[in-house]
Amino acid sequence: DAKTTQPTSMDCAEGRAANLPCNHSTISGNEYVYWYRQIHSQGPQYIIHGLKNNETNEMASLIITEDRKSSTLILPHATLRDTAVYYCIAANQAGTALIFGKGTTLSVSS
Amino acid sequence: GAVVSQHPSRVICKSGTSVKIECRSLDFQATTMFWYRQFPKQSLMLMATSNEGSKATYEQGVEKDKFLINHASLTLSTLTVTSAHPEDSSFYICSASPATSAYEQYFGPGTRLTVT
Repeated sequence: DAKTTQPTSMDCAEGRAANLPCNHSTISGNEYVYWYRQIHSQGPQYIIHGLKNNETNEMASLIITEDRKSSTLILPHATLRDTAVYYCIAANQAGTALIFGKGTTLSVSS
Repeated sequence: GAVVSQHPSRVICKSGTSVKIECRSLDFQATTMFWYRQFPKQSLMLMATSNEGSKATYEQGVEKDKFLINHASLTLSTLTVTSAHPEDSSFYICSASPATSAYEQYFGPGTRLTVT
């Protein structure tokens, strides 16, 4: 699976959009980009995934560049409860194990 | 979304004893479940892949005789830490993918194991 690179930490003001970048320059054509988050001492929570097209659900939007070498997770209106570690993962098929990197620690403050 | 449960949520055991952790998919069937371990301030590390009705596949460096995995049904996988030692103290997390939506993977809430 392709390796991903994320900033170690980011800060965001409550109510503002949080834009979390991820580089996956070695991603292969059949690998999806997944985003999960982990709130302290809990299991990871699925956020969104995509292959080529931009995706949106009730939690977030995922913007994937045309060359698929990077992506951005957007939380449109961050709240204090969005404070968590966010993981960007590239995985090549359904039902395979997800390999977690160090992720980005997002701190949302009022 | 789909729900995965783990039991117990916390367990304290004495060194040398064994402890079993259960992982259940509550509202879907999962032919494959995964077990992860997470040490403080570190990321999740994949330990093994649990396949229903067959032997688990362990990651390099994970002792299969120490971490026994059984996946006896499509909704239950168990991880038994045998002869536990203080260095086995960790946060153990399982995950599973629904057969109907295999591109989504759901994680349990985790089990905090403390070996004294």
